[in-house]
Amino acid sequence: QQQVKQSPQSLIVQKGGISIINCAYENTAFDYFPWYQQFPGKGPALLIAIRPDVSEKKEGRFTISFNKSAKQFSLHIMDSQPGDSATYFCAAGHSGGYQKVTFGTGTKLQVIP
Amino acid sequence: SAVISQKPSRDICQRGTSLTIQCQVDSQVTMMFWYRQQPGQSLTLIATANQGSEATYESGFVIDKFPISRPNLTFSTLTVSNMSPEDSSIYLCSVGLLRPAGGYNEQFFGPGTRLTVL
Repeated sequence: QQQVKQSPQSLIVQKGGISIINCAYENTAFDYFPWYQQFPGKGPALLIAIRPDVSEKKEGRFTISFNKSAKQFSLHIMDSQPGDSATYFCAAGHSGGYQKVTFGTGTKLQVIP
Repeated sequence: SAVISQKPSRDICQRGTSLTIQCQVDSQVTMMFWYRQQPGQSLTLIATANQGSEATYESGFVIDKFPISRPNLTFSTLTVSNMSPEDSSIYLCSVGLLRPAGGYNEQFFGPGTRLTVL
């Protein structure tokens, strides 16, 4: 019920291309879906988040697409740059109160010049 | 957001010893969490550090192995006790902040403590 599945495990994208990472969740009570970016030796940093009342949220080159009926959401990185090379984690949780989120397994993205 | 610092940033310890990791936040926060991240893996929640009461541990984690203190709203410690090589991992402190505009909570992470147990 609490699991969040993430794919692919690793991804290599050419500079300027689109990086797409997918996640699926099981618990229909989840209503908060953040994405985190983690560089080597650093803690995860909140990148972008969405709530299920919208199907898409865009911030700069980063877009979250959300499909409530399929219980899936994805991160799209447009015009991928070598500086985007990092590990990305999706997560799911509850927006109310101070409840913990459940993390996906992570995707290691490498953007090659 | 919140600025979170952790000490130490890394350490190499001998089997059977204990290490206490400190987490300091630049503002008062209600919720603090401790996570473990093994190399190349996802984040696993160890426990929620409650101010003024005992920590709430996740399945598979016990207080005797990972005692936690939370003396005030800006500070917490995690101790890894009687360490074994299997405890080699990155330990991350996290805080939950309520975002007034959106009305939902966000989690922010510290830089982590990289622990190696020989």
